[in-house]
Amino acid sequence: GAGVSQSPRYKVAKRGQDVALRCDPISGHVSLFWYQQALGQGPEFLTYFQNEAQLDKSGLPSDRFFAERPEGSVSTLKIQRTQQEDSAVYLCASSHLDPGETQYFGPGTRLLVL
Amino acid sequence: DQQVKQNSPSLSVQEGRISILNCDYTNSMFDYFLWYKKYPAEGPTFLISISSIKDKNEDGRFTVFLNKSAKHLSLHIVPSQPGDSAVYFCANTLQGAQKLVFGQGTRLTINP
Repeated sequence: GAGVSQSPRYKVAKRGQDVALRCDPISGHVSLFWYQQALGQGPEFLTYFQNEAQLDKSGLPSDRFFAERPEGSVSTLKIQRTQQEDSAVYLCASSHLDPGETQYFGPGTRLLVL
Repeated sequence: DQQVKQNSPSLSVQEGRISILNCDYTNSMFDYFLWYKKYPAEGPTFLISISSIKDKNEDGRFTVFLNKSAKHLSLHIVPSQPGDSAVYFCANTLQGAQKLVFGQGTRLTINP
């Protein structure tokens, strides 16, 4: 069956450029998460959606990061005026609603800011 | 403030032997504990979990142990197989929340 897909898989951006990362969750999954994984570290939470509502954005590192899920399915993570420290793998995960439900991860988008 | 710690960045085990991966946490409000496995260029894949009301959960070759008094979680893989070579992350969730808090990961290598 179709899992979580993310695009692009790789993105190289010049410092100061805006980027948009896309996540297609598993059909029917209410919850959607974005995580950032720096090299050699575990994933770190960025933001959480329940359907189209962004219920938690406590992990977004700055106001340059913006996420949306306007129709409660596909989500986009946008990073404005990228900086070198934004270089990381950005992971999207989806799950059913109940706490404790397994989160299914996409393959990630590897962002390199030069 | 690292709430979840995996102090061993790497572990090498001979095929057929037991692999033991460890994880320590500081927040007593964590109520659900999970292990994820990650291959290169792929997202993490759920492996096994345990709720805070239990101290052991077993699924085939994988067993997770939870010691709440020590705030310690471990994953046992027996027997270890070459396909188990991957990075393993422990992750916890806080009561009432769904977001995962991950450790730094342990790279497990199974040697033939």
